[in-house]
Amino acid sequence: EVQLVQSGAEVKKPGESLRISCQGSGYYFTNYWINWVRQMPGKGLEWMGRIDPSDSYTYYGPSFQGHLTISADKSISTAYLQWNSLKASDTAMYYCASGPNGEFFDYWGQGTLVTVSS
Amino acid sequence: SYELTQPPSVSVSPGQTARITCSGDGLPKQYAYWYQQKPGQAPVLVIYKDSERPSGIPERFSGSSSGTTVTLTISEVEAEDEADYYCQSGDNSRGVFGTGTKVTVL
Repeated sequence: EVQLVQSGAEVKKPGESLRISCQGSGYYFTNYWINWVRQMPGKGLEWMGRIDPSDSYTYYGPSFQGHLTISADKSISTAYLQWNSLKASDTAMYYCASGPNGEFFDYWGQGTLVTVSS
Repeated sequence: SYELTQPPSVSVSPGQTARITCSGDGLPKQYAYWYQQKPGQAPVLVIYKDSERPSGIPERFSGSSSGTTVTLTISEVEAEDEADYYCQSGDNSRGVFGTGTKVTVL
């Protein structure tokens, strides 16, 4: 059974750094791209970017380029989403999503809630 | 930038048919996908490649495509179908979600 398991909820202050994770199991981790999706409180889904775990090649959505980093460690089947300096506007639920077809998402993590508040 | 536009809300009585549209200039060239999201839950894929239904998704969910608009149809709506629905498209380099539609079962 394919599973994506995300790290737990985080509460941070503006300016702090953060890395959240998404661990895949039940499949060859390097075979499926990992995507990250943001959902701000009461709002819709936004595609943030994706990574090919086999070579760590990344694409970012235009609204997210330069503000965060997507990475992966294939040795432990885990993808990451990292911020160097959080803003209050980064408060959101973050999902990882994947599947054998790179264009859509059969499998989703349970979500990681990130709260940024002074 | 590539945008997908959906109506904010659709209301339907139990047993009736709900239709949710998604419009975007790229849709004639790229497939569309549909997700259902219930409160507090991760999204679930309900339609892929415009009209294909994943295993485990009820037959009352169907999809169609015409030009720059794709449509998710829910036939014989049940109370459990009340949720937010998002279309999605893209290619191997990027993805984009629609603005989302809240389906209310009256």
